Amino acid sequence: GAVVSQHPSRVICKSGTSVKIECRSLDFQATTMFWYRQFPKQSLMLMATSNEGSKATYEQGVEKDKFLINHASLTLSTLTVTSAHPEDSSFYICSARDLDRVGEKLFFGSGTQLSVL
Amino acid sequence: QQQVKQSPQSLIVQKGGIPIINCAYENTAFDYFPWYQQFPGKGPALLIAIRPDVSEKKEGRFTISFNKSAKQFSLHIMDSQPGDSATYFCAASNLGGTSYGKLTFGQGTILTVHP
Repeated sequence: GAVVSQHPSRVICKSGTSVKIECRSLDFQATTMFWYRQFPKQSLMLMATSNEGSKATYEQGVEKDKFLINHASLTLSTLTVTSAHPEDSSFYICSARDLDRVGEKLFFGSGTQLSVL
Repeated sequence: QQQVKQSPQSLIVQKGGIPIINCAYENTAFDYFPWYQQFPGKGPALLIAIRPDVSEKKEGRFTISFNKSAKQFSLHIMDSQPGDSATYFCAASNLGGTSYGKLTFGQGTILTVHP
């Protein structure tokens, strides 16, 4: 079946540094990927829609200069948390869609736990 | 109007019981209603999904009931097992065009199944 790989699974960084999270579709081309954020014991909140070859679309209240999204190829989207601060500590999850697939068309990565010290 | 409201927040049942989780939505443009299971530190995994043209869908031990007029849907887990202990999320989306895959999630239900 389709697999979406997310890396790293866990990252700890110092305040003020930038962290890059990768989301890869392993056996299909994903023109669109989605990035979610989840705080402990809370729901997943959509941050942005990542479109291959064009600018990401950010949800209301999400700082695009803070959360840089790059979707440079049909199999890779990256989320960079710039100048991270402790309040950015969260679980970040990506998903990718495969509209050509019969049956289920949306697949989630395994998530990245970001801890900012 | 984009919200999906989920209840209860937590649920405890005995093995073999039938936990029921409920969700309600407002946006009538939603036409895809999936349920996800999430274990700690993992991404959500699709359990079952329904479109509004049917009122019920079963897959294994999981059943979705859908009430279009009430804008409500629910998940039933038959013969629940301790391994079903996880957080469950309902979600909703509009499958049309570029919106496919853009999910609005409910608040989540923490299910505990005691042996």
